[in-house]
Amino acid sequence: DAGVIQSPRHEVTEMGQEVTLRCKPISGHDYLFWYRQTMMRGLELLIYFNNNVPIDDSGMPEDRFSAKMPNASFSTLKIQPSEPRDSAVYFCASRSSGRPDTQYFGPGTRLTVL
Amino acid sequence: EDQVTQSPEALRLQEGESSSLNCSYTVSGLRGLFWYRQDPGKGPEFLFTLYSAGEEKEKERLKATLTKKESFLHITAPKPEDSATYLCAVTIRSGQNFVFGPGTRLSVLP
Repeated sequence: DAGVIQSPRHEVTEMGQEVTLRCKPISGHDYLFWYRQTMMRGLELLIYFNNNVPIDDSGMPEDRFSAKMPNASFSTLKIQPSEPRDSAVYFCASRSSGRPDTQYFGPGTRLTVL
Repeated sequence: EDQVTQSPEALRLQEGESSSLNCSYTVSGLRGLFWYRQDPGKGPEFLFTLYSAGEEKEKERLKATLTKKESFLHITAPKPEDSATYLCAVTIRSGQNFVFGPGTRLSVLP
């Protein structure tokens, strides 16, 4: 089992550019979560999907953020246009409905917006 | 507003020196309380889930306990490899929205 896979691991971009973060959940997991971690705010849930359908996006900070899950093995988090305050580590996590108490996190993408 | 706090913010222990980390929560309708360990540059790693007051879980040198308002993570005779940030999280209502605390950064010196 390869675990949750995220790419890229590091992204440096300039303000105003579009950024796309990618996630491959663990095979067989039907829930997928996107989190953002900063020193100031800690770990925050942005959005989560169940069976590829967005269920709760109340944590998405602005319309500049969007997330999609076109199939069970792939999800993207897009920021357009990016701003310096979006700099953070973005984590993807997945879990199975049969194991509601365990989320498996990916290694994260460290985003720096200059 | 649902809130999770952790104390202390940082803790330095000598190897073998036992201690406890605290997680306090003010939420409506707690469904579960979770402890995670996070190493630098990595994602959080699941440790324990607690569902009801009085419940305890153990894993190697770690033991987690839960009351109606807080949880403790007890570390017995820690080793340098226990150094990490320990995160507490709660789920409420539907059980899908995890609210994380700020974490406790633990350093165990040899």
